[in-house]
Amino acid sequence: GQNIDQPTEMTATEGAIVQINCTYQTSGFNGLFWYQQHAGEAPTFLSYNVLDGLEEKGRFSSFLSRSKGYSYLLLKELQMKDSASYLCAAMDSNYQLIWGAGTKLIIKP
Amino acid sequence: TAGITQAPTSQILAAGRSMTLRCTQDMRHNAMYWYRQDLGLGLRLIHYSNTAGTTGKGEVPDGYSVSRANTDDFPLTLASAVPSQTSVYFCASSDSEATGELFFGEGSRLTVL
Repeated sequence: GQNIDQPTEMTATEGAIVQINCTYQTSGFNGLFWYQQHAGEAPTFLSYNVLDGLEEKGRFSSFLSRSKGYSYLLLKELQMKDSASYLCAAMDSNYQLIWGAGTKLIIKP
Repeated sequence: TAGITQAPTSQILAAGRSMTLRCTQDMRHNAMYWYRQDLGLGLRLIHYSNTAGTTGKGEVPDGYSVSRANTDDFPLTLASAVPSQTSVYFCASSDSEATGELFFGEGSRLTVL
């Protein structure tokens, strides 16, 4: 079956760095996506990886290892506004997105 | 810029009643999707449409129907609501079905009693 695993909740301190891990099992692979969702709001697209390696976008970076079925989202210089859920999604060979349940990130001052 | 607009924002519905959730996008995107989001679960695809005039079933289509008469509109209908359909419903669109960069509406919170 197809599956995405990510931690349910993480806590970090303002100004610090946090890494949110995601492992996936899909029938074929057409990319790994990260979305941010603030409480009560819609998900918004953060990043896309289809090749192995690190993609950096400001304070956020995303890493992919296709051989390990593994990705992580790295958030640097954490700000209170980064408190949100982070959704990992993998696209299978039929271009269907398989979604994880999300990781709720709590930022403490 | 509007992007995707959903209506209503929230609704309380008696079991057995019908309900249509509206979704309109102004980005001329070909693909549109309806998801439900429940606590502790990932987004689950209900129905999708890769282009105007075509629709397909997602992971959890039972009890729901959709239509795609034109590019902009993608309404979701519950013919006879049941309490298990209590959820937050998100409409989304993308330039094509082959991209995972989706643009989401603000969601419709539906409670079925």
